[in-house]
Amino acid sequence: GAVVSQHPSWVICKSGTSVKIECRSLDFQATTMFWYRQFPKQSLMLMATSNEGSKATYEQGVEKDKFLINHASLTLSTLTVTSAHPEDSSFYICSAPPRLAGGDYEQYFGPGTRLTVT
Amino acid sequence: AQTVTQSQPEMSVQEAETVTLSCTYDTSESNYYLFWYKQPPSRQMILVIRQEAYKQQNATENRFSVNFQKAAKSFSLKISDSQLGDTAMYFCAFRGQGAQKLVFGQGTRLTINP
Repeated sequence: GAVVSQHPSWVICKSGTSVKIECRSLDFQATTMFWYRQFPKQSLMLMATSNEGSKATYEQGVEKDKFLINHASLTLSTLTVTSAHPEDSSFYICSAPPRLAGGDYEQYFGPGTRLTVT
Repeated sequence: AQTVTQSQPEMSVQEAETVTLSCTYDTSESNYYLFWYKQPPSRQMILVIRQEAYKQQNATENRFSVNFQKAAKSFSLKISDSQLGDTAMYFCAFRGQGAQKLVFGQGTRLTINP
């Protein structure tokens, strides 16, 4: 199947700093990518939909100014956690459906990024 | 809005046994897609099986099969001859016909004991 990568896989940052997480589709183009947050032993919570060439769409309750999303190309989306605080520590996962996918398609997930804010 | 409910937070069975994970969902759409994802300790999401609502035949992938009951809005996953490598979190997910977003259930933590 298609591959989605994330970088870094694990990042530790100090409170108040910003950290950027990259999501890349390696062998397909994705006009849309999704960013999820997952706390331990919990389900995936959709944070936002990243759209190539336009603004991201955020889910209710997600701070747009804190979680900046940029979909720079058809293969790259970035999530920047600004002014990080310990409560932002979590596991962040991206996913992408193939571009121009029809009705029945598989969505591909990245391996996730563990963020620890100290 | 669509919702997905997994009522079994944890399950545990012996190796080689058969186990069934439950999932119910709520939607007003007539066609949609249902998925079961596995998340092992590595936390990589892996697609186990998928079902299109218009297809009456239950999907099967090797040891994994589903029991799709459209009228009851139920989508259970059966794992036959369970193996130690099946130990993982399992998430049921829904996607509407015209949508790209997945709606996930709460997950079921499955442990296969030797």
